[in-house]
Amino acid sequence: QSVLTQPPSVSAAPGQKVTISCSGSSSNIGNNYVSWYQQLPGTAPKLLIYENNKRPSGIPDRFSGSKSGTSATLGITGLQTGDEADYYCGTWDSSLSAEVVFGGGTKLTVL
Amino acid sequence: EVQLVESGGGLVKPGGSLRLSCAASGFTFSNAWMSWVRQAPGKGLEWVGRIKSKTDGGTTDYAAPVKGRFTISRDDSKNTLYLQMNSLKTEDTAVYYCTTGLIVVAHDAFDIWGQGTMVTVSS
Repeated sequence: QSVLTQPPSVSAAPGQKVTISCSGSSSNIGNNYVSWYQQLPGTAPKLLIYENNKRPSGIPDRFSGSKSGTSATLGITGLQTGDEADYYCGTWDSSLSAEVVFGGGTKLTVL
Repeated sequence: EVQLVESGGGLVKPGGSLRLSCAASGFTFSNAWMSWVRQAPGKGLEWVGRIKSKTDGGTTDYAAPVKGRFTISRDDSKNTLYLQMNSLKTEDTAVYYCTTGLIVVAHDAFDIWGQGTMVTVSS
């Protein structure tokens, strides 16, 4: 059971927009930055979004991040078949066991 | 080129030990806070722990499931990160990634990842 809650799967057609939610609490998302990762099959995760809404160099602006209260959202526009992957949110949890925590992951299917 | 390369994975019996290494290149390793993240087969990402840079104290933090069994260390002269894993359990079976956040101020996100090394704990 992950500390951060994500939907197990989402799907949309090529060219469409999709959002992936990440729900937490005041000890994690509510008071810390959120990051998002893309993991293609058989590869290491790749950072898409950090500090809630910043994109590393080379990440297209089709990917966006936002945070409100204890929830965060990853948005992907202009979906491409190459976007089909697992997506994870992550943040610091400053509760008793202070640590980085991840969501359980969301499988994106581009129909 | 910024790169992290893990090694040392393999098959080990429950209760056994294993040491993973992560060789870093292309950035100032001594300034970096380094983490290990693992992924069990078919499962999600799980943070294992981290070690701060020596200038920031060089201290370590661990996730609850590995605290007391795993030890993270670093050799800045060799640009190498280590993960010593003792008292291994079947549930420690996973791909172990070495990772760091070079562009992140708060040390809570990771933009550089190694390719991962597989650890299998089985009798």
